[in-house]
Amino acid sequence: DAGITQSPRHKVTETGTPVTLRCHQTENHRYMYWYRQDPGHGLRLIHYSYGVKDTDKGEVSDGYSVSRSKTEDFLLTLESATSSQTSVYFCAISVGGRDGYTFGSGTRLTVV
Amino acid sequence: QKEVEQNSGPLSVPEGAIASLNCTYSDRGSQSFFWYRQYSGKSPELIMSIYSNGDKEDGRFTAQLNKASQYVSLLIRDSQPSDSATYLCAVNYSGNTPLVFGKGTRLSVIA
Repeated sequence: DAGITQSPRHKVTETGTPVTLRCHQTENHRYMYWYRQDPGHGLRLIHYSYGVKDTDKGEVSDGYSVSRSKTEDFLLTLESATSSQTSVYFCAISVGGRDGYTFGSGTRLTVV
Repeated sequence: QKEVEQNSGPLSVPEGAIASLNCTYSDRGSQSFFWYRQYSGKSPELIMSIYSNGDKEDGRFTAQLNKASQYVSLLIRDSQPSDSATYLCAVNYSGNTPLVFGKGTRLSVIA
């Protein structure tokens, strides 16, 4: 398999609570990405990382933060979850910009 | 704003027919183009990549790129019910910038 895992797979949380999603890779790829996928909107980039401690915002970064303290882990944190953040979150990895991505299995997050 | 446009579908084709999926993009300088297949409830899976004008074939799949007209297409020959999925087009606009994805086209192959 591609060597990318996301945890948890499913989570239900209450409005206002912090939530952290984890993406772990064993491929030693430089680039890691967090996307959310919602009906009618497709895949939208939240944040991405191009190296340890090197991150940048995507088009829907408000309300989210990320950290990458080592190559293999990329964490996505919802500081104070809102119902609008109910979504399926996908992590992806790539060797470089001209290469396709490999996606994790996704995390289905429900904020109630 | 970099954009990737796809018809949302559903596109219905009979089993054994050719399915044709199209995608247009907004920046003439785009470099890399990808097609992903996503089954319901699953993650996207890379099925084709294309970097140069022309056709690229892999089994029953053919990707076609026309940079002058800014479109990329995916042909699926001898379509099977197992090809029923949503197909996402993705474009790398420059260097190591993140891919921009279209919203996907839902394909239904009718047995």
